[in-house]
Amino acid sequence: EAQVTQNPRYLITVTGKKLTVTCSQNMNHEYMSWYRQDPGLGLRQIYYSMNVEVTDKGDVPEGYKVSRKEKRNFPLILESPSPNQTSLYFCASSPLGGDADTQYFGPGTRLTVL
Amino acid sequence: GDSVTQMEGPVTLSEEAFLTINCTYTATGYPSLFWYVQYPGEGLQLLLKATKADDKGSNKGFEATYRKETTSFHLEKGSVQVSDSAVYFCALSDRNQNFNKFYFGSGTKLNVKP
Repeated sequence: EAQVTQNPRYLITVTGKKLTVTCSQNMNHEYMSWYRQDPGLGLRQIYYSMNVEVTDKGDVPEGYKVSRKEKRNFPLILESPSPNQTSLYFCASSPLGGDADTQYFGPGTRLTVL
Repeated sequence: GDSVTQMEGPVTLSEEAFLTINCTYTATGYPSLFWYVQYPGEGLQLLLKATKADDKGSNKGFEATYRKETTSFHLEKGSVQVSDSAVYFCALSDRNQNFNKFYFGSGTKLNVKP
């Protein structure tokens, strides 16, 4: 089954404790992206990647890091989480050719930073 | 910069009522436009899209027309069902301009009563 998976689905942590949210897709998509969803603000793009070893900032990259060492994986790293990073996070992927622009979303990770 | 504005919700309708959710956009180039739907506890799914002016996207009885002159992409459905209850997001991508970013509206929650 074609899908985007994220882990963990739920995470409660404390300020300053480094964490990683994993994202993996099995559709051989070149493009991957991370978003955060906050009430009244919709989805905002954090980082995106066009392919292996190619990443770029979205609209709200502060406090986040990403890496793209393999085509299928795109982890989101919070080196020192703060309460304002409490949010619902989504990973998405899409091909670059053909059906480009159609993003496939993961189920989401709900993060709470105390 | 690019942005998307959509009507605030929630929108509450009776089954078989007509639905319109307004969406307007600001973009420097010629973006692709999308409607995504989010059911409770799930990630976003593409509902429909349009890639150039005057295109009409349609799916599952929903439709939206890319209006460049009014910079709008309003979502319509002639007869809603209880199963249409969800949050709807209007979005644009500027990948036509090779900037590879996506912008989402704040979302409109639709409640359909039997």
